[in-house]
Amino acid sequence: DGGITQSPKYLFRKEGQNVTLSCEQNLNHDAMYWYRQDPGQGLRLIYYSQIVNDFQKGDIAEGYSVSREKKESFPLTVTSAQKNPTAFYLCASSIRDGDTEAFFGQGTRLTVV
Amino acid sequence: QQPVQSPQAVILREGEDAVINCSSSKALYSVHWYRQKHGEAPVFLMILLKGGEQKGHDKISASFNEKKQQSSLYLTASQLSYSGTYFCGTAGNAGGTSYGKLTFGQGTILTVHP
Repeated sequence: DGGITQSPKYLFRKEGQNVTLSCEQNLNHDAMYWYRQDPGQGLRLIYYSQIVNDFQKGDIAEGYSVSREKKESFPLTVTSAQKNPTAFYLCASSIRDGDTEAFFGQGTRLTVV
Repeated sequence: QQPVQSPQAVILREGEDAVINCSSSKALYSVHWYRQKHGEAPVFLMILLKGGEQKGHDKISASFNEKKQQSSLYLTASQLSYSGTYFCGTAGNAGGTSYGKLTFGQGTILTVHP
């Protein structure tokens, strides 16, 4: 079955440690996105990528980094520079930018203690 | 910049109607609508492209006014299953700096009671 997979579902880290969240899709989609979800703030865009080896900052990129070395993979690293990393992170993909349906993964809940 | 949704929350009885609005300060290429149940991933409802189109399926429909940079989601004869948080997503015009950037609003919490 085609889909988008995020792992792990729950992640705990100590403050000051970098952590990488995985996002893999086998839908052959060109575009991929990372969002952060906090209560009352909706989905805020961290990074997006329209094609392999290219990505752009979203609205809240500070403290995060990404790579897009393969079409199917778009990992997100939450660095120690991110001041409030505890959140629900959602990855999404779409066939192409903007005018096609986005498919979301089940999310990763990151807790930094 | 995130689109702005209103209202922030709606409480309905089964069978009642609701309208959720979405507006943007930037020129829009498309508007997406999604529904998210608690603890789950957002699920696609529909997408509208510029041209003033209106779409719908079942008792949920939407309109897109590109001149006003606004979209509205209409839920008629609401059912218990409609409960959840509704998000609008917007993407900018091709060639513009925000093309490909799919940005979502803060969400509207819809609660349908029996």
